[in-house]
Amino acid sequence: SQKIEQNSEALNIQEGKTATLTCNYTNYSPAYLQWYRQDPGRGPVFLLLIRENEKEKRKERLKVTFDTTLKQSLFHITASQPADSATYLCALASLYNQGGKLIFGQGTELSVKP
Amino acid sequence: GAGVSQSPRYKVAKRGQDVALRCDPISGHVSLFWYQQALGQGPEFLTYFQNEAQLDKSGLPSDRFFAERPEGSVSTLKIQRTQQEDSAVYLCASSSSRTGANSPLHFGNGTRLTVT
Repeated sequence: SQKIEQNSEALNIQEGKTATLTCNYTNYSPAYLQWYRQDPGRGPVFLLLIRENEKEKRKERLKVTFDTTLKQSLFHITASQPADSATYLCALASLYNQGGKLIFGQGTELSVKP
Repeated sequence: GAGVSQSPRYKVAKRGQDVALRCDPISGHVSLFWYQQALGQGPEFLTYFQNEAQLDKSGLPSDRFFAERPEGSVSTLKIQRTQQEDSAVYLCASSSSRTGANSPLHFGNGTRLTVT
């Protein structure tokens, strides 16, 4: 069956370090992969989108990689700050089935300590 | 409006009651999605509209769940005869693209439903 897995345990890092979050998937052929940030009591907020033919995307302190051979995406936050503390969700969309809708992983909670 | 608006923010229903959750998407957005999010989990897809057409309702958990978007803007998610397992946050999202795949989804802050 199709599955999206993110680090189930919370990630605790020190301010200034790079946070790396993992998203693995099985039995998918995603055309697009998106990352979202979610704060408690709020809806997810879009961060980055990467296409299947792109290896890497950057936006300010954020970097996403997409390896369709390994079936994995890595999400990096460099020079992390306490304000980066949140839950991060990866989401996949396949144009070949499911009408292109986004399917989400369970999220990884990131805590950045000062 | 500036973003996706959902109401009510919180809803408490007794088991067996019917509830209606409203979503006002970003003006002009073609696609509208409903997701259900349990505590500590990611959003689970429920249903998807392109304008007023409901193109995918494969995620609706039972025939007690019904969604509509009659004029291609505001949408309502209705749950009949609520059960305790329906307790969750219901998220609505809209997108300017025809699917949710290749452009960002803009989410509301959700309706937290508690069934007692």
